[in-house]
Amino acid sequence: DQQVKQNSPSLSVQEGRISILNCDYTNSMFDYFLWYKKYPAEGPTFLISISSIKDKNEDGRFTVFLNKSAKHLSLHIVPSQPGDSAVYFCAASAKTGANNLFFGTGTRLTVIP
Amino acid sequence: GAVVSQHPSWVICKSGTSVKIECRSLDFQATTMFWYRQFPKQSLMLMATSNEGSKATYEQGVEKDKFLINHASLTLSTLTVTSAHPEDSSFYICSARPGTGLSPLHFGNGTRLTVT
Repeated sequence: DQQVKQNSPSLSVQEGRISILNCDYTNSMFDYFLWYKKYPAEGPTFLISISSIKDKNEDGRFTVFLNKSAKHLSLHIVPSQPGDSAVYFCAASAKTGANNLFFGTGTRLTVIP
Repeated sequence: GAVVSQHPSWVICKSGTSVKIECRSLDFQATTMFWYRQFPKQSLMLMATSNEGSKATYEQGVEKDKFLINHASLTLSTLTVTSAHPEDSSFYICSARPGTGLSPLHFGNGTRLTVT
């Protein structure tokens, strides 16, 4: 049973525009959420996280929004750059620092120059 | 930043043979490392938690006798897939957490295992 879902397998965005990647989860016990970025033949790289006590966390061009009532989070990248092209994974855990991260299946972002 | 190195990056083996995958934390000590697996078009799934100096903890449905984990030092964990079969073909990836329990997991580059 997939507890973390990324329903869009791919997304294409023009350079300079906003990229919005979405993630839904089913387990109401999740209270810590992360986004990882993955290039081919490399492991996932941590990008940004948010705990359930917040509804927004921003780091440079990256902002993560959390809607607990909808069990939905999103990652906004603005402005998008060609180097952002990668697969983005959403992950969740039942507590901050927990070892068992539940991952989504990923969204492949392509930023078109 | 924290670096987790994994070797080999890919391996092809014949059915029935065993394959060892190494995971090293290069610039930090890790008393605990984590092994994940990803099948095609599926998400990363935690297989087991490797504990330095003690037995690994396996997730439900993961055979401990098939996936042998050894964590002999604070910087090295190994996963051995014993008597591999084609259904074991997958992407295996290790991770570790530097510093406190609040820091995110850092992942190795993964190992693509193909069993023929």
